[in-house]
Amino acid sequence: SQTIHQWPATLVQPVGSPLSLECTVEGTSNPNLYWYRQAAGRGLQLLFYSVGIGQISSEVPQNLSASRPQDRQFILSSKKLLLSDSGFYLCAWTPGRADEQYFGPGTRLTVT
Amino acid sequence: SQKIEQNSEALNIQEGKTATLTCNYTNYSPAYLQWYRQDPGRGPVFLLLIRENEKEKRKERLKVTFDTTLKQSLFHITASQPADSATYLCALDWNQAGTALIFGKGTTLSVSS
Repeated sequence: SQTIHQWPATLVQPVGSPLSLECTVEGTSNPNLYWYRQAAGRGLQLLFYSVGIGQISSEVPQNLSASRPQDRQFILSSKKLLLSDSGFYLCAWTPGRADEQYFGPGTRLTVT
Repeated sequence: SQKIEQNSEALNIQEGKTATLTCNYTNYSPAYLQWYRQDPGRGPVFLLLIRENEKEKRKERLKVTFDTTLKQSLFHITASQPADSATYLCALDWNQAGTALIFGKGTTLSVSS
């Protein structure tokens, strides 16, 4: 069966510090991968999606970036965090087209 | 611009009643619509998908309707239970390529016993 992992589960970072969140999927190959952010009182915001290694589509231009160095690995990064980057970051995958998405447990990021 | 709205932030009902949640969208022509459940501090969990050529879909106590003329989906939970208390999100495929979803902000359902 397929599983999706995210780490860390929680993170507290100062403004201006770098960020690296990792997501890995097991039990499938060539998944579509997604990064979402859910800020307090706001909906689920799609940040990036990837249909293959090295292929990244950005939905929200900001100080975040994403990379997919391996088929089942998706990384969210920032060089300098802003207060507004605080939120609940979720990774998700689908086997192909955006049918039902399977979400990871999420990372709670607090920027102080 | 494209928009998806769940017009109730919160819904409170009594156990045993039917909960009805609404999802409206504008400036989209989605091929399908999905509903997810999200519990506090957890990632959303897929519940149902309904395609544009389907009017209704059922799964146990859940029922979803999709009216492409009204640009609306209704999500029903019959015989609701306190365990159904959660936030429910609707989502559409928005980029026609079928590679990404856009989510509504969700409706938080509270079922009291």
